[in-house]
Amino acid sequence: GAVVSQHPSWVICKSGTSVKIECRSLDFQATTMFWYRQFPKQSLMLMATSNEGSKATYEQGVEKDKFLINHASLTLSTLTVTSAHPEDSSFYICSAWRGGVEKLFFGSGTQLSVL
Amino acid sequence: KQEVTQIPAALSVPEGENLVLNCSFTDSAIYNLQWFRQDPGKGLTSLLLIQSSQREQTSGRLNASLDKSSGRSTLYIAASQPGDSATYLCAGSNSGNTPLVFGKGTRLSVIA
Repeated sequence: GAVVSQHPSWVICKSGTSVKIECRSLDFQATTMFWYRQFPKQSLMLMATSNEGSKATYEQGVEKDKFLINHASLTLSTLTVTSAHPEDSSFYICSAWRGGVEKLFFGSGTQLSVL
Repeated sequence: KQEVTQIPAALSVPEGENLVLNCSFTDSAIYNLQWFRQDPGKGLTSLLLIQSSQREQTSGRLNASLDKSSGRSTLYIAASQPGDSATYLCAGSNSGNTPLVFGKGTRLSVIA
């Protein structure tokens, strides 16, 4: 079946540094990918829609200058958390839409801890 | 905009019991609905996907139903086992290639 690979699985960083998370569709092309964030014991909240070759669309309340999204190819989207702070500590998970199968496939998620 | 609600928020049952998890959504023009399982600190495992044209889907001990007119979906788990303990998430979308909207989940504990 379709696989979405997300790396890293977990990352610990110091406050003020930047962290990049990669999301790859391994066996299909994804023109659209979605990034979600999940705080402890909360549900998944959509952060942004990543469109190949164009700017990402951010949900209300999500700072586009802080969460940089790049979808430079049909199989790769990246989320960069810039100048991370402890309040950015969360579980980040990506998903990619596969046409034909008509289904969203999810990465395994990235646990970010900012010290 | 689609909104998804799940009740109960938490459920504890003895091993072997059959149980039902409930999910409701606000927009009956739902494209598809998915049920996921999430273990603590882990990603999502897709359990069942119901397209808008379908009424139910089954996989092993799991059965999910979809009633668009009432805006409800249920996940039925038969003969529950301690290994079923996890958070179960319901999510729906209004069209293809659009993001899923998630409920807050039901945290299930199956006691041996």
